[in-house]
Amino acid sequence: QKEVEQNSGPLSVPEGAIASLNCTYSDRGSQSFFWYRQYSGKSPELIMFIYSNGDKEDGRFTAQLNKASQYVSLLIRDSQPSDSATYLCAVLKGSNYKLTFGKGTLLTVNP
Amino acid sequence: GAVVSQHPSWVICKSGTSVKIECRSLDFQATTMFWYRQFPKQSLMLMATSNEGSKATYEQGVEKDKFLINHASLTLSTLTVTSAHPEDSSFYICSARSVTDPTDTQYFGPGTRLTVL
Repeated sequence: QKEVEQNSGPLSVPEGAIASLNCTYSDRGSQSFFWYRQYSGKSPELIMFIYSNGDKEDGRFTAQLNKASQYVSLLIRDSQPSDSATYLCAVLKGSNYKLTFGKGTLLTVNP
Repeated sequence: GAVVSQHPSWVICKSGTSVKIECRSLDFQATTMFWYRQFPKQSLMLMATSNEGSKATYEQGVEKDKFLINHASLTLSTLTVTSAHPEDSSFYICSARSVTDPTDTQYFGPGTRLTVL
């Protein structure tokens, strides 16, 4: 079982819709969870992090964490074509500060 | 805040030469920086963890004598690709973690695209 798993996509949604991106992780000791967005040819940029069970909202983005199910998701409301990118889920565990990344989900928002 | 820069943004070099890439945290101090490599359409691959004032920790399979890392200050880490070969051509990205950030968030630099001819 891979440490961090994401559906590679592509996930295609129409403009204005809600995009739902999912991520599961294998290590119950994982502490913090991050969502990064990576445009083609660019480096990752942080969208948000979450470390407590429940929802965390930041503008159009909502991260959801369920540690019992080892599941973290990212919802993007009112999706825009500019949201088209690869979304990376990353998990932090241990004291060495290393992140374990999923392979990313390619999101396409169609005008 | 939390801006990380890299220099150069792209470099082309001849096979056998060495290339140095700089990673700087511009508005925070970073005791820990990370170096990643990414090939086209593939995920990020962690190469090494760079700690200020100590030796870098390399991931399994990464040649430490080929990829020299120096983290001489709280705002600068460098990666030197020695005796570069065409297979080293890749997108090299650094990230940094702030000393004072309790979330342990990593902020990424813009990356350096290396092409070895």
